[in-house]
Amino acid sequence: AQSVSQHNHHVILSEAASLELGCNYSYGGTVNLFWYVQYPGQHLQLLLKYFSGDPLVKGIKGFEAEFIKSKFSFNLRKPSVQWSDTAEYFCAVRTGFQKLVFGTGTRLLVSP
Amino acid sequence: EAGVAQSPRYKIIEKRQSVAFWCNPISGHATLYWYQQILGQGPKLLIQFQNNGVVDDSQLPKDRFSAERLKGVDSTLKIQPAKLEDSAVYLCASSLELDRGKEEQYFGPGTRLTVT
Repeated sequence: AQSVSQHNHHVILSEAASLELGCNYSYGGTVNLFWYVQYPGQHLQLLLKYFSGDPLVKGIKGFEAEFIKSKFSFNLRKPSVQWSDTAEYFCAVRTGFQKLVFGTGTRLLVSP
Repeated sequence: EAGVAQSPRYKIIEKRQSVAFWCNPISGHATLYWYQQILGQGPKLLIQFQNNGVVDDSQLPKDRFSAERLKGVDSTLKIQPAKLEDSAVYLCASSLELDRGKEEQYFGPGTRLTVT
């Protein structure tokens, strides 16, 4: 069965700091990769996704993620975080018609 | 465009009682999902419907959980009887149609269930 690991459970940054959240998955075949975000009091929403092609994908609000197949990783990055990026971030993986499997999430707190 | 609607938003019940959650997906979305999110964990799929047929219910505890999607639109998820470990947020999501795992899922606000 697929599994997704997010090693950072809580991250605290100051505004303008750079962000990188780790995500590793266990499946060795073709995968579809997602990052979802949940802002305080809001619904889970899609931040970005990767299916194929350029392994560097760009999402909303200046976020990007890089798919590294050899490392089974799909890390999320942002060069300069803002206070409004405070949220919980979930990495998720899906293979074909299999269920979407989420990681445990990373809570990001950005201090002004 | 209206999003995924869920009700109630909060529910507190005692163990062994029953509870039901309701979901109205985005209009035109053929696929509907119910997830359970326990505190400190990511969402876990309970059941997935394509129109009114079940695609995947492998992680649904069928001895106590049931779900239906009549007429391929609204859906209800029921727990009977509830256990303490059922305390969680129950999320409903919908997507246009199955597309080899590429479809974007749109999530509702969730129902926070507390079982005492």
